[in-house]
Amino acid sequence: EVQLVESGGGLVQPGGSLRLSCAASGFTVSGNFMSWVRQAPGKGLEWVSVIHSGGRTDYAESVKGRFTISRDNSRNTLYLQMTSLRAEDTAVYYCARDVSCSSISCYGPDGFDIWGQGTMVTVSS
Amino acid sequence: SYELTQPPSVSVSPGQTASITCSGDKLGDKYACWYQQKPGQSPVLVIHQDTKRPSGIPERFSGSNSGNTATLTITGTQAVDEADYYCQAWDGSNYVFGTGTKVTVL
Repeated sequence: EVQLVESGGGLVQPGGSLRLSCAASGFTVSGNFMSWVRQAPGKGLEWVSVIHSGGRTDYAESVKGRFTISRDNSRNTLYLQMTSLRAEDTAVYYCARDVSCSSISCYGPDGFDIWGQGTMVTVSS
Repeated sequence: SYELTQPPSVSVSPGQTASITCSGDKLGDKYACWYQQKPGQSPVLVIHQDTKRPSGIPERFSGSNSGNTATLTITGTQAVDEADYYCQAWDGSNYVFGTGTKVTVL
């Protein structure tokens, strides 16, 4: 079954750090564009970061220099290392797979066809 | 930074057609996609690559994209379609989400 399962969320103080994990099954993270997307309580969706199949990484301006996306191909797992956390980082964090990659190539980026269930991150003292 | 603008809300009667617009500079030059999100659930991709429906998405969902506007159309809207809808595109270095539209089926 194709799925993503996030973990690692929780309560952290402002200025603190947290690492989120996203375990993939049914496909390889290394062969796809993999992203983190967040949603603050009662708010809309906000893209956070992507790691392309070739290893290139991109970040939203709001997290650049504070968050780092990475992947472990042997564990088929995506990570988001978050440092210098702020109250405005409070959100449900989802990992998501871009639909544009096949076993041969990627035409995208396009949209996200597979989403995890989300993990809640709360930044508060 | 690139922005995508949607109407905050759309109301539709059961069986009628709902159209949700998404506006952005030269959006027609990019791939647009659409998500449905119900309370407490993860988003679901309903349209990608402007017009394509993923497997399992009903035929009543369709998309178009030209000029500065992408449109999601729900034909024969059902009560189960009541949800928040978001458009999204890639601007070359970022995925950008629209502001979101709440669809109410009256």
